[in-house]
Amino acid sequence: GQNIDQPTEMTATEGAIVQINCTYQTSGFNGLFWYQQHAGEAPTFLSYNVLDGLEEKGRFSSFLSRSKGYSYLLLKELQMKDSASYLCAVASNDYKLSFGAGTTVTVRA
Amino acid sequence: IAGITQAPTSQILAAGRRMTLRCTQDMRHNAMYWYRQDLGLGLRLIHYSNTAGTTGKGEVPDGYSVSRANTDDFPLTLASAVPSQTSVYFCASSDSIELNEQFFGPGTRLTVL
Repeated sequence: GQNIDQPTEMTATEGAIVQINCTYQTSGFNGLFWYQQHAGEAPTFLSYNVLDGLEEKGRFSSFLSRSKGYSYLLLKELQMKDSASYLCAVASNDYKLSFGAGTTVTVRA
Repeated sequence: IAGITQAPTSQILAAGRRMTLRCTQDMRHNAMYWYRQDLGLGLRLIHYSNTAGTTGKGEVPDGYSVSRANTDDFPLTLASAVPSQTSVYFCASSDSIELNEQFFGPGTRLTVL
């Protein structure tokens, strides 16, 4: 089976940095995805890592270590609109995605 | 249509009734998926389709069926709804099962009483 763990909740101040960790144990590996989901809305794609290292996209960066089964999503210069759930998902051998339960990030003024 | 749409937006259903959730995409994506999202459990795959004419079972397929008669449409049917199927259902699509950036529809909130 697939096992994907991420913290349930995190709180940070506007302008700060938050790091959301994700650890996984899956049947094979074909990439790790991060999605953002605002309350009552659909998930939207943020990032994709298939090789070890850091992928940077504006204020958001995602890191992957395949040997450790570990990834993190880094959100910099936090804005109120970044308050959302962040979903870690892993593509296994058959390419199907398994999702973690999500991390709810609350940004305070 | 732009992207991926779902209907209805929400539905309250009596247990035992049959219900079909509709999903349509206009991106000519080959792969389509149905997920359910429950509090504390995250998104779980119900069924998927790699391409028109083929379907496969996901993590939680029992009580659900799908069909993929063409590229654009991927309906999900609950043959006889039960209260445990109360959930938010998301349809998604991707260019292929291997190119896996998935685009999600707005979701259907289903309540089975």
